[in-house]
Amino acid sequence: AQSVTQLGSHVSVSEGALVLLRCNYSSSVPPYLFWYVQYPNQGLQLLLKYTSAATLVKGINGFEAEFKKSETSFHLTKPSAHMSDAAEYFCAVRPGGTSYGKLTFGQGTILTVHP
Amino acid sequence: DTGVSQDPRHKITKRGQNVTFRCDPISEHNRLYWYRQTLGQGPEFLTYFQNEAQLEKSRLLSDRFSAERPKGSFSTLEIQRTEQGDSAMYLCASSLIGSGPNEKLFFGSGTQLSVL
Repeated sequence: AQSVTQLGSHVSVSEGALVLLRCNYSSSVPPYLFWYVQYPNQGLQLLLKYTSAATLVKGINGFEAEFKKSETSFHLTKPSAHMSDAAEYFCAVRPGGTSYGKLTFGQGTILTVHP
Repeated sequence: DTGVSQDPRHKITKRGQNVTFRCDPISEHNRLYWYRQTLGQGPEFLTYFQNEAQLEKSRLLSDRFSAERPKGSFSTLEIQRTEQGDSAMYLCASSLIGSGPNEKLFFGSGTQLSVL
């Protein structure tokens, strides 16, 4: 079984500041890990994914995440926040080796960016 | 627009009524998924199809829920005798088989159901 915990349901940063959204996972097998973003009235969009290749994963819009097995974490970062980054972010996991898209999502973190 | 489309965007119904939602996946995608998202929570997996075959159903999918994908293209999700607890956003996603760990889900914008 697998699960995801996102620490902090709301994160607020100033424009230009570092963005850090935390995600910890639990998985009985090596996982595949994902970050999705959801803008209001839009579908979920994949930001980046970890599939057992490089532990530092770069995604779209300047986001990146680092897989740390020892900490069972997959935190999402962006060096400098932009107003357009304001959205809800979801971390998700699925068991490695599975070949279909059954994902277990965290509860989400709403990112607010202040001018 | 070649993305995943869902219809309707919003549905308001009275408790006890039946509702049906439709999802049109990206045309060449052979896998289709339904997820449910309640307020303040992440999406939860409900079921998925590979072509027209329904291969997995979550325990969340009670007997009042039924999903079909009759010709391996669009899918419908029906809820019979709706309850207030069914109020949620119902999300559809599609993907292309054979891409292994790079399988990417494309999500629609969802159908927001409100049961009064």
